[in-house]
Amino acid sequence: GAGVSQSPRYKVAKRGQDVALRCDPISGHVSLFWYQQALGQGPEFLTYFQNEAQLDKSGLPSDRFFAERPEGSVSTLKIQRTQQEDSAVYLCASSQAVRYGELFFGEGSRLTVL
Amino acid sequence: KNEVEQSPQNLTAQEGEFITINCSYSVGISALHWLQQHPGGGIVSLFMLSSGKKKHGRLIATINIQEKHSSLHITASHPRDSAVYICAVRSGSQGNLIFGKGTKLSVKP
Repeated sequence: GAGVSQSPRYKVAKRGQDVALRCDPISGHVSLFWYQQALGQGPEFLTYFQNEAQLDKSGLPSDRFFAERPEGSVSTLKIQRTQQEDSAVYLCASSQAVRYGELFFGEGSRLTVL
Repeated sequence: KNEVEQSPQNLTAQEGEFITINCSYSVGISALHWLQQHPGGGIVSLFMLSSGKKKHGRLIATINIQEKHSSLHITASHPRDSAVYICAVRSGSQGNLIFGKGTKLSVKP
């Protein structure tokens, strides 16, 4: 497709389960960002990739969160031993430019942890 | 205090009204983005600007770097403009975005 694709769109997990969220950026986009958006709040930065290199992971809230982009294209955000406070929409965005380009967002993956 | 502050938090307007949403920030930035988010989560980038003014259709965005302030204007508002409008600034060496909490706009017919 032409846009940023995320899957699954909705995920319900029991507390303690591991989840994996996928992001397919626009082909050729160098930069990829993950954001977490809690209900009623603005998105918050989680991590940034430039091609396959994870250049910034300062926003990951705990060591239960892990992201990868092994071939510089598709990225996976993994959350281990999910907690209720992990419930949020996880947004992926990509950009053609290294730093300052326009961002294209996916529809998000809504995670609900019971 | 948040690094990016938006006002108002909520805004209700009648169709046809001129709308202004404000964004103030406290950090050094390389660019400022205005984003639109419809119910269901999808975010669309409206503008990216680092100086001056940009216009696209009925939307106008301005930024004053010295005052660390930006405004988003919507002329002749329409119910389909109802959405959350988010201001985000790009700061830091890697260009991470810092988001405001958003302004929820509702335009009544």
